[in-house]
Amino acid sequence: DVKVTQSSRYLVKRTGEKVFLECVQDMDHENMFWYRQDPGLGLRLIYFSYDVKMKEKGDIPEGYSVSREKKERFSLILESASTNQTSMYLCASSFGSYNEQFFGPGTRLTVL
Amino acid sequence: KQEVTQIPAALSVPEGENLVLNCSFTDSAIYNLQWFRQDPGKGLTSLLLIQSSQREQTSGRLNASLDKSSGRSTLYIAASQPGDSATYLCAVHEAAGNKLTFGGGTRVLVKP
Repeated sequence: DVKVTQSSRYLVKRTGEKVFLECVQDMDHENMFWYRQDPGLGLRLIYFSYDVKMKEKGDIPEGYSVSREKKERFSLILESASTNQTSMYLCASSFGSYNEQFFGPGTRLTVL
Repeated sequence: KQEVTQIPAALSVPEGENLVLNCSFTDSAIYNLQWFRQDPGKGLTSLLLIQSSQREQTSGRLNASLDKSSGRSTLYIAASQPGDSATYLCAVHEAAGNKLTFGGGTRVLVKP
């Protein structure tokens, strides 16, 4: 079974803090994705990566950056957290392009 | 721009009744379509992936159909149980670009 894990289930941060969200997958998947999910707006893609050190912007990359130094790990970074980044963050991975995506349990981030 | 719609947004059925969940998309140039289940506050669980060349995909009590030319997919859940209560999301992989576009989801309640 594919396992995608995220470092925290719940996180509370202050405005202006630098925030790291970590995602790890154990199936040697090339592709990894970061989404955010908000009521009324659904799931939106922030960034994705198709290989180590490679990244592509998704639909809403503003205010975020990512890092992929190892194949199994994909980090989402909020350089200076703002209240409008309060959301549920979901990581996913897939083997190759256009294949089934597997999701982690999510991190509910609150920025005060 | 691809748009994915799921109607109704919420559905309530008595236990034992068959569930029919709808998903429509505006651009038929898709690679595949994926159905997910999401429990409150949790991540997404992949249910079925149906390729654009397929008409149907089955897994246990679940059956997904795809009519690419009319931009529609339907997820059938036979003999519903209270444990089927969750939000069901569909997402399409567009032929151009390795990303999923999600519908807003249908929240299902199965009453004992």
